[in-house]
Amino acid sequence: AAGVIQSPRHLIKEKRETATLKCYPIPRHDTVYWYQQGPGQDPQFLISFYEKMQSDKGSIPDRFSAQQFSDYHSELNMSSLELGDSALYFCASSLGRGGDQETQYFGPGTRLLVL
Amino acid sequence: DQQVKQNSPSLSVQEGRISILNCDYTNSMFDYFLWYKKYPAEGPTFLISISSIKDKNEDGRFTVFLNKSAKHLSLHIVPSQPGDSAVYFCAASGEGNTPLVFGKGTRLSVIA
Repeated sequence: AAGVIQSPRHLIKEKRETATLKCYPIPRHDTVYWYQQGPGQDPQFLISFYEKMQSDKGSIPDRFSAQQFSDYHSELNMSSLELGDSALYFCASSLGRGGDQETQYFGPGTRLLVL
Repeated sequence: DQQVKQNSPSLSVQEGRISILNCDYTNSMFDYFLWYKKYPAEGPTFLISISSIKDKNEDGRFTVFLNKSAKHLSLHIVPSQPGDSAVYFCAASGEGNTPLVFGKGTRLSVIA
């Protein structure tokens, strides 16, 4: 079965540079979530989209922005990168159905290293 | 403040025995609970979930128990296998498609 696809899998950037992470949800999934996992930490929610509209916002820095496109893929744009942004970035997708609870399925993650 | 707590950072179990991983939560608005398994450098893999209207859900070797009054859930793995060795995250969410709140994980080691 098709899973969540994330690209790139690894990314190395310098401080103050920009980065774009991409996420392709499971086919027919219309909800995308972004999480950040620092070393030895649990995943922390950043932002989510349902039907191309932002649905929830977590601890996402103002330097980051994200959007969901018409084909439901999502991109996380990160600017003015800082050393502390080095982390694993996970995307998850689910099939949103109003008030129903739907399981979130995670992609393999993008490992970002800021030097 | 950690809304989802996994107080055991690690657990070692003999192959064939039962593994019991525990999770406590503080937010009474949580009504959907999930367990994920995670290997290094991979994304969390969904294992099993339970809605707050149930107290038990079973899927093969995995059973999740929910005690709402105690705000406690546990994952039982029987029998444990060496391939079960991984970090297990407990996660919770509110009603609808809301973000997950994770515990800090428990590293399970199944010894052959």
